[in-house]
Amino acid sequence: NAGVTQTPKFRILKIGQSMTLQCTQDMNHNYMYWYRQDPGMGLKLIYYSVGAGITDKGEVPNGYNVSRSTTEDFPLRLELAAPSQTSVYFCASTPTAIYGYTFGSGTRLTVV
Amino acid sequence: AQKITQTQPGMFVQEKEAVTLDCTYDTSDQSYGLFWYKQPSSGEMIFLIYQGSYDEQNATEGRYSLNFQKARKSANLVISASQLGDSAMYFCAMRERYYGNNRLAFGKGNQVVVIP
Repeated sequence: NAGVTQTPKFRILKIGQSMTLQCTQDMNHNYMYWYRQDPGMGLKLIYYSVGAGITDKGEVPNGYNVSRSTTEDFPLRLELAAPSQTSVYFCASTPTAIYGYTFGSGTRLTVV
Repeated sequence: AQKITQTQPGMFVQEKEAVTLDCTYDTSDQSYGLFWYKQPSSGEMIFLIYQGSYDEQNATEGRYSLNFQKARKSANLVISASQLGDSAMYFCAMRERYYGNNRLAFGKGNQVVVIP
């Protein structure tokens, strides 16, 4: 099983550009999450989804959007990239809310 | 307010020795879960160990054990017989209620360097 797959692994964006970070899981997990990790910090929740068609904001949703049209996919959209969005982005999934997460390998994004 | 506190500075540990990583948490929930993740320099997040708030025994997974002191709200990770491959950042996380759902809240991490 591939687990949680994130693409791309690295990306450099110019200020004002947009992009979509892809996340796919093949474990049929209902719950999916997007976190960002800033240097020297823990992970902060951006958005999450408890199932297809349902998404909710986390702690730091401004500047991002998500969709969950299928169980497998949970893309994160950055509109009008800003330097403050320079970070490492992790997608994660879990079968039920009481278990720990399976993480993707992360996307390192730099906005210049 | 910070829910998970990890305040130790970077730690150097001699190979084959044990190391304890401190984690304190803040919650008013009766039901919660505590997790430890390892993040090596390659960047991925690796699940290590889990402790439920109602579990009476401390969790163990191979060389990892969790020293759970509920009254003190602490969930320290103990790594026995350290190996060079244990050099990494370690994150403590707590499952908490979040607007009717659950989420993991993470601490800022502890850096561990194992020296031969």
